Amino acid sequence: GENVEQHPSTLSVQEGDSAVIKCTYSDSASNYFPWYKQELGKRPQLIIDIRSNVGEKKDQRIAVTLNKTAKHFSLHITETQPEDSAVYFCAAEGGGTSYGKLTFGQGTILTVHP
Amino acid sequence: SAVISQKPSRDICQRGTSLTIQCQVDSQVTMMFWYRQQPGQSLTLIATANQGSEATYESGFVIDKFPISRPNLTFSTLTVSNMSPEDSSIYLCSVRGGSTGANVLTFGAGSRLTVL
Repeated sequence: GENVEQHPSTLSVQEGDSAVIKCTYSDSASNYFPWYKQELGKRPQLIIDIRSNVGEKKDQRIAVTLNKTAKHFSLHITETQPEDSAVYFCAAEGGGTSYGKLTFGQGTILTVHP
Repeated sequence: SAVISQKPSRDICQRGTSLTIQCQVDSQVTMMFWYRQQPGQSLTLIATANQGSEATYESGFVIDKFPISRPNLTFSTLTVSNMSPEDSSIYLCSVRGGSTGANVLTFGAGSRLTVL
């Protein structure tokens, strides 16, 4: 089945800096890659996603890039703010019989210092 | 995205007992899933809840331990049976699609179970 690796496990930045979180996946048939943000005690919330027919997608300060050949995708947050502090999870949706099912990475604890 | 109501939000349970978690969605959805999030960990798929048929379980999860019902397209239950302290986790209902038609995965608020 699908295996998703996420790095780093923790990331500490100063307010205004950029943050980058990277993920790799194993199933070459995967074609959907969402990112979730989970604040303490809250449910995971989708912040951005990308499908395999594009290489990059941007939404204000957040962008995601996808390299299908290398089977990796990354989340980029620019001009970080303290409210960006949370746990971020990448995920991949498998192909074939795994359609609809997401496999999540291990998570990255992002801390933005004022 | 869909609006998901999940209950209970939290509970403290005794070892050996069972607890049923309910998930209600505000619109008909084809795909419903149950995830587990152990303390400080990532999300792990337990099973896909299939309407009108038996759930499809992921490796490491079995029906006897986690029986699931899905009587219609808006409702599902997950039972955690014969609980032990290792079952202390957050259990999350999730759906693909919903009232806006967007094909994204939305989570309920979760049920935090503590087993003593």
